Amino acid sequence: KQEVTQIPAALSVPEGENLVLNCSFTDSAIYNLQWFRQDPGKGLTSLLLIQSSQREQTSGRLNASLDKSSGRSTLYIAASQPGDSATYLCAVMDSSYKLIFGSGTRLLVRP
Amino acid sequence: AAGVIQSPRHLIKEKRETATLKCYPIPRHDTVYWYQQGPGQDPQFLISFYEKMQSDKGSIPDRFSAQQFSDYHSELNMSSLELGDSALYFCASSPRGSGRALDEQYFGPGTRLTVT
Repeated sequence: KQEVTQIPAALSVPEGENLVLNCSFTDSAIYNLQWFRQDPGKGLTSLLLIQSSQREQTSGRLNASLDKSSGRSTLYIAASQPGDSATYLCAVMDSSYKLIFGSGTRLLVRP
Repeated sequence: AAGVIQSPRHLIKEKRETATLKCYPIPRHDTVYWYQQGPGQDPQFLISFYEKMQSDKGSIPDRFSAQQFSDYHSELNMSSLELGDSALYFCASSPRGSGRALDEQYFGPGTRLTVT
């Protein structure tokens, strides 16, 4: 059974810092991996999608990497801003096309 | 660009009542997924449909049923509601039948169900 783990569960950093969020999964047989952002009580905003054949994707200040063989992904956020404060969720698409989510990392960027 | 539409956005029901949540996928998307996110929890897969047939089933209670209609919209029917059913229910769609099975799922804004 696929399990997705995110570390750390919570993170508080001063504005301007670069930071890394970690995601690990137990079964490397995935189709893709997505990183989402979720504000409190709100919906899911897709940030980056990495296909299983890819190693990284970039969008603005965000960079996500994927090492499928070791079951790991990282989300790198450069020059963090208070507006980046949210919960970041990692999800993998399994062999039946459903997404399995991690428990998320709650990020607080302090002004 | 058109997005996934969910209705209603908010729903308040009492215990033992029934609720119906609707999802309208992005045009030309043939696959719909339902997820449940309880308070403080990560989203959990409930059920999916591909070309109007059930594709996969997760931890969906027997009190819940769902279907996908000829126009590809989907409805999640929930009966004998319990307090624990209070959650955010997301619908997502993807164009799996296009052959691009590796495409991302596009999420709707969710329906917040509160059971009192």
